[in-house]
Amino acid sequence: DQQVKQNSPSLSVQEGRISILNCDYTNSMFDYFLWYKKYPAEGPTFLISISSIKDKNEDGRFTVFLNKSAKHLSLHIVPSQPGDSAVYFCAASAGGTSYGKLTFGQGTILTVHP
Amino acid sequence: NAGVTQTPKFRVLKTGQSMTLLCAQDMNHEYMYWYRQDPGMGLRLIHYSVGEGTTAKGEVPDGYNVSRLKKQNFLLGLESAAPSQTSVYFCASSPLDRGWNTEAFFGQGTRLTVV
Repeated sequence: DQQVKQNSPSLSVQEGRISILNCDYTNSMFDYFLWYKKYPAEGPTFLISISSIKDKNEDGRFTVFLNKSAKHLSLHIVPSQPGDSAVYFCAASAGGTSYGKLTFGQGTILTVHP
Repeated sequence: NAGVTQTPKFRVLKTGQSMTLLCAQDMNHEYMYWYRQDPGMGLRLIHYSVGEGTTAKGEVPDGYNVSRLKKQNFLLGLESAAPSQTSVYFCASSPLDRGWNTEAFFGQGTRLTVV
């Protein structure tokens, strides 16, 4: 039972264009959502997060949107750069007594072409 | 500024052998976690700890044991390795929740192959 799903295994975009990565979840108890970026042979690194009380959070070129009614979130990268090429994981946490435990999606491989 | 350090980075085991993966964090974080990453599955939680001397099961705990004798260290043990435990293992830590969730910090991973 995959509670967090990233249905696009891969995404290819041109440098300078927008990258949009999508994530769906099924557990209504999730109240905190995160995006992690992972390069080969490295651990995931935190990118951006959003609380369920918000519908948008921005950090430089990265914006995360949350649609609670649709149980959907997306990560927008504008403009995309070749260095953004990596695997992006969506993750969710239930807060409260979850003790920071994260449920991850399968990941999306983003390739940004020069 | 080490953060989360995992030892070893690579290991090949024969079926039935045992081993221990070590995770050390220098950020004084309360919470620590062990995840495994498999192709097409994302990262799945094996075990976690909310403080020194405490451990709990995650989503996929079978075949693994853990210990947290010191706050900065979290050990993952495989008593009798099986090919199904071939995976990349990640340790992570996060600070005590202060009423607001915070992100977890990950180590660089341990690639384990069981033959």
